[in-house]
Amino acid sequence: DAGITQSPRHKVTETGTPVTLRCHQTENHRYMYWYRQDPGHGLRLIHYSYGVKDTDKGEVSDGYSVSRSKTEDFLLTLESATSSQTSVYFCAISGQGTKNTEAFFGQGTRLTVV
Amino acid sequence: ELKVEQNPLFLSMQEGKNYTIYCNYSTTSDRLYWYRQDPGKSLESLFVLLSNGAVKQEGRLMASLDTKARLSTLHITAAVHDLSATYFCAVVASGTYKYIFGTGTRLKVLA
Repeated sequence: DAGITQSPRHKVTETGTPVTLRCHQTENHRYMYWYRQDPGHGLRLIHYSYGVKDTDKGEVSDGYSVSRSKTEDFLLTLESATSSQTSVYFCAISGQGTKNTEAFFGQGTRLTVV
Repeated sequence: ELKVEQNPLFLSMQEGKNYTIYCNYSTTSDRLYWYRQDPGKSLESLFVLLSNGAVKQEGRLMASLDTKARLSTLHITAAVHDLSATYFCAVVASGTYKYIFGTGTRLKVLA
């Protein structure tokens, strides 16, 4: 299994509070991604990173920010959580620019905003 | 902007039957991936398709890619209960490293 760890695995938070989810990899992969999964929507890309300090927006980036200060860590922050951000969040990584590598996924973080 | 559509969204089938899941995408791509997800679990890679006409097979599953039609298929042969899961295709638009997913096909194989 690809070395990807997400933390926390479960979190309940109140509306309006900031929340940070962490993705840690041990594979030294260049690309890292944050997705959210909701029924009827599949997986939607929030943000991704193509290197340290290099990030870009995905399909549903509003209300989210990310940071990558070192290769192994990619943080997703909800500045002020809303109920619409209740979801399962997945981190993924993919290889060093080689085209034939698929993305590998972490175990997910279930976030509930009450 | 790359859009990826899968159909059907839900599929209930009897054991032993054959069926096909379709994945259409809207812009040029030379990379397409199929994943499987079991309830409450993460995504597991099934197939990597990198060129027009690519065909990959693993057990009762076979995936193919037609880049000209912007279409990939996942064919299930003689379904068994263990294949019950949600299947996703993901496409990477040419010149990017963004993996864009379809909405998924939830497959239920009835004994």
